[in-house]
Amino acid sequence: SQQGEEDPQALSIQEGENATMNCSYKTSINNLQWYRQNSGRGLVHLILIRSNEREKHSGRLRVTLDTSKKSSSLLITASRAADTASYFCATDEGSGGGSNYKLTFGKGTLLTVNP
Amino acid sequence: DVKVTQSSRYLVKRTGEKVFLECVQDMDHENMFWYRQDPGLGLRLIYFSYDVKMKEKGDIPEGYSVSREKKERFSLILESASTNQTSMYLCASSYSGTRYAQYFGPGTRLTVT
Repeated sequence: SQQGEEDPQALSIQEGENATMNCSYKTSINNLQWYRQNSGRGLVHLILIRSNEREKHSGRLRVTLDTSKKSSSLLITASRAADTASYFCATDEGSGGGSNYKLTFGKGTLLTVNP
Repeated sequence: DVKVTQSSRYLVKRTGEKVFLECVQDMDHENMFWYRQDPGLGLRLIYFSYDVKMKEKGDIPEGYSVSREKKERFSLILESASTNQTSMYLCASSYSGTRYAQYFGPGTRLTVT
């Protein structure tokens, strides 16, 4: 099955800087979602972008989607130490049946924001 | 607030034991999912359910079974636990369709010795 792949695997920045994470996928999608996971905890949904959207904002988060390149990016502006977490993209497979229900997650980007 | 709860945060079992992991959601979601998360492998889908008594295999169903007798409850069963099933298990729920967010429980860290 297809899998989103995040890049980089790990990112370390200073508080106040911007953090950019990228996600690439292989086949067509209907929706792409980004999640955050604090160490040892469950994932928390951040933002969803549909295949007919190019950009979406939520607070300090900005997500872009380029379906021609099969890629998405998550930008966190003015980062804080509390943003330290792993970030995952998740895609659907864009077809009906069972795959209409499930998401496939990438392996994640570990973001460390140093105070 | 959506709440997804899992029966245990930490669990230690012996090889060959039958293990039950339970997940409960309070949002009347149609879909429920079980994932396992391992370092370097990310999240992998074990099973999901789109309705009561309905289930579908995910990417790694071998060695696992599931049960959904009530809409709010989804159980993962390890019939005979093995050491390679030591992992973090995450349950999630969502409304029907991938345009909805999945809501995750806190996870169960299972160790099989």
